Amino acid sequence: DGGITQSPKYLFRKEGQNVTLSCEQNLNHDAMYWYRQDPGQGLRLIYYSQIVNDFQKGDIAEGYSVSREKKESFPLTVTSAQKNPTAFYLCASSPPLGPWGTNNEQFFGPGTRLTVL
Amino acid sequence: AQSVAQPEDQVNVAEGNPLTVKCTYSVSGNPYLFWYVQYPNRGLQFLLKYITGDNLVKGSYGFEAEFNKSQTSFHLKKPSALVSDSALYFCAVRQTYGGATNKLIFGTGTLLAVQP
Repeated sequence: DGGITQSPKYLFRKEGQNVTLSCEQNLNHDAMYWYRQDPGQGLRLIYYSQIVNDFQKGDIAEGYSVSREKKESFPLTVTSAQKNPTAFYLCASSPPLGPWGTNNEQFFGPGTRLTVL
Repeated sequence: AQSVAQPEDQVNVAEGNPLTVKCTYSVSGNPYLFWYVQYPNRGLQFLLKYITGDNLVKGSYGFEAEFNKSQTSFHLKKPSALVSDSALYFCAVRQTYGGATNKLIFGTGTLLAVQP
């Protein structure tokens, strides 16, 4: 998990509340990503950011929001509009693409497990 | 559409036996393929990748994967399984449309259970 930290490890939310998940990296990577993991569904992309002050929606962005004010940080807010937020959330980062598409694996944080009470 | 399929939800193997975790893909253009491993309540760890070159790719912890273009497969293999290899394994392919990004498309995962 080295170089990427996520906090908290466990988070409990009441229905109707917004919560923010933290993701910080010290790898000097430009790109950062948020995934949601549910049993049997693999990883689904929520949002991604290729550079500071820019981000794009992934496949399941509804009910989520992000910001990218600093290169090191990419917080994810789970809003009350997200109908079923209970899941394991993973943050990742990756370096710029090198020649021939090298250096393009993603590095993952340890995850945050969100439970709605 | 680009996709990755892991046809087996679970693979069971005895310790010391060879293991194979299957992955097939569908992409336009040349595929960039990855394998990751996830232990319980942890993030994903990178195992290996295929970009170009030799079809047999060697990675971490004694794992290797064989790229087969005609069968559009990228199966993960290990000659001798360990109990500690028990984990969830994900195959992924880099998305090749929508600009130059590192976006990955993941399979649904295969749970590997190695019995002592």
